[in-house]
Amino acid sequence: DVKVTQSSRYLVKRTGEKVFLECVQDMDHENMFWYRQDPGLGLRLIYFSYDVKMKEKGDIPEGYSVSREKKERFSLILESASTNQTSMYLCASGEGRIVQYFGAGTRLSVL
Amino acid sequence: AQTVTQSQPEMSVQEAETVTLSCTYDTSESDYYLFWYKQPPSRQMILVIRQEAYKQQNATENRFSVNFQKAAKSFSLKISDSQLGDAAMYFCAYTANAGKSTFGDGTTLTVKP
Repeated sequence: DVKVTQSSRYLVKRTGEKVFLECVQDMDHENMFWYRQDPGLGLRLIYFSYDVKMKEKGDIPEGYSVSREKKERFSLILESASTNQTSMYLCASGEGRIVQYFGAGTRLSVL
Repeated sequence: AQTVTQSQPEMSVQEAETVTLSCTYDTSESDYYLFWYKQPPSRQMILVIRQEAYKQQNATENRFSVNFQKAAKSFSLKISDSQLGDAAMYFCAYTANAGKSTFGDGTTLTVKP
C-alpha cells in the first residue's frame, strides 16, 4: 500500500557534492512537497509543485532546487551540499490544500 | 506570517486514559485548514485529522477529536482511550493557501502501560 516513495532512507555525501533526492507518488496528486525536518524546528517547506514543470519556493529554498518533469516524480537537488544541509528530508503529496501523504524520509548527512 | 505554536514539547498518558494536545495559531485569514499529523518512531508521517475553518462542528476520527476555537485561534487534539500505538510525535499544521502549510514544532506523546 505504498503511496509516496523516497528513493533512499539514508545518504552520506561530502561537502560540495551535487545531491539528488527522488520522490515518487502513485496517487495522481497534483501537489508535491519537499520539507526539511530538524529537531525543535518542526517541518519547514523547501519547495512545492502544483503541476508538472511548475514550482514555488517555500520558506527555506536557499541552496536547493527542484525538478518535476512528470506528475508522479518530484526531485530535490542540492547543487553543492553543505554541512548545514544535514537533516531529515520529507517528501509529501496531496490534493488542494491538504498535505496528505508523506514518504518515509531521507536522512542526509553531509560530511 | 502565519505561526503555529505547540506549547507542550512532551506529554505522557496512561494507557486507556484521555490526553489533550494543545495548538494555537496566528493568522489574519478567514478561510483555512488545520491538521494534526502523527509521526511514530518509524518516521512515516500520517494525517490524523483535519478541520476546515468554515465548519463549526469539531472534526472526529474514531478516538481522535479536535476542539476548534476559531476566535481564540486554538486547535487542540483529544485522544481518547489511549493505546500504546498512539505513542508518537504529533504535529499541528495550518494552511490557507495550497502548498503553504506551516507546522508547529511537535509534541512527543508517551503512552505508559
